[in-house]
Amino acid sequence: GENVEQHPSTLSVQEGDSAVIKCTYSDSASNYFPWYKQELGKRPQLIIDIRSNVGEKKDQRIAVTLNKTAKHFSLHITETQPEDSAVYFCALPDASGSARQLTFGSGTQLTVLP
Amino acid sequence: DVKVTQSSRYLVKRTGEKVFLECVQDMDHENMFWYRQDPGLGLRLIYFSYDVKMKEKGDIPEGYSVSREKKERFSLILESASTNQTSMYLCASTDRAADWGQRHFGDGTRLSIL
Repeated sequence: GENVEQHPSTLSVQEGDSAVIKCTYSDSASNYFPWYKQELGKRPQLIIDIRSNVGEKKDQRIAVTLNKTAKHFSLHITETQPEDSAVYFCALPDASGSARQLTFGSGTQLTVLP
Repeated sequence: DVKVTQSSRYLVKRTGEKVFLECVQDMDHENMFWYRQDPGLGLRLIYFSYDVKMKEKGDIPEGYSVSREKKERFSLILESASTNQTSMYLCASTDRAADWGQRHFGDGTRLSIL
């Protein structure tokens, strides 16, 4: 699969502050960049995604930005709330090999402090 | 709504046992996947299947095998369980027309090998 690095591995923010998680990749012709959220004890769920023909996509308090030149994409959460506490994973489809491979980042544990 | 059901939430087995993890999806999806989730390593692909009786190795297939006799069911087999296979196992599915990045996950099986 593709090589994708995710940072930071843990992130603590005060409720109401913003959180940013970044993923970089080495070499990919992928045109689709998803983000997953996994709450404690629950399954990972797709929360937002972006295609390479746009630089930013927003959905209420979450947004994803993409910089294909620099090969990174980021998840932004504004006005964080306690229910945002979870592990977040970026993912990268394998565009060069099997069309069904998906490489996940190592995850970011986000804790929103009340 | 897609339903991916894993047969057990928690499982405890002994070293050397043959272990079966079962996964069933109810949306007639073509593709099914088995991932292993470990802290700091994200989700790593063990095997996937794009059709009945078809399978492909993922990134970490050693010590595992799979079976897909029916479209809705995908089984992961630990031929001779070892303690380093203690982990959370996640099954997922997606249909042929879906974006590469979309995965519908089950709730996971936390497997402990003693």
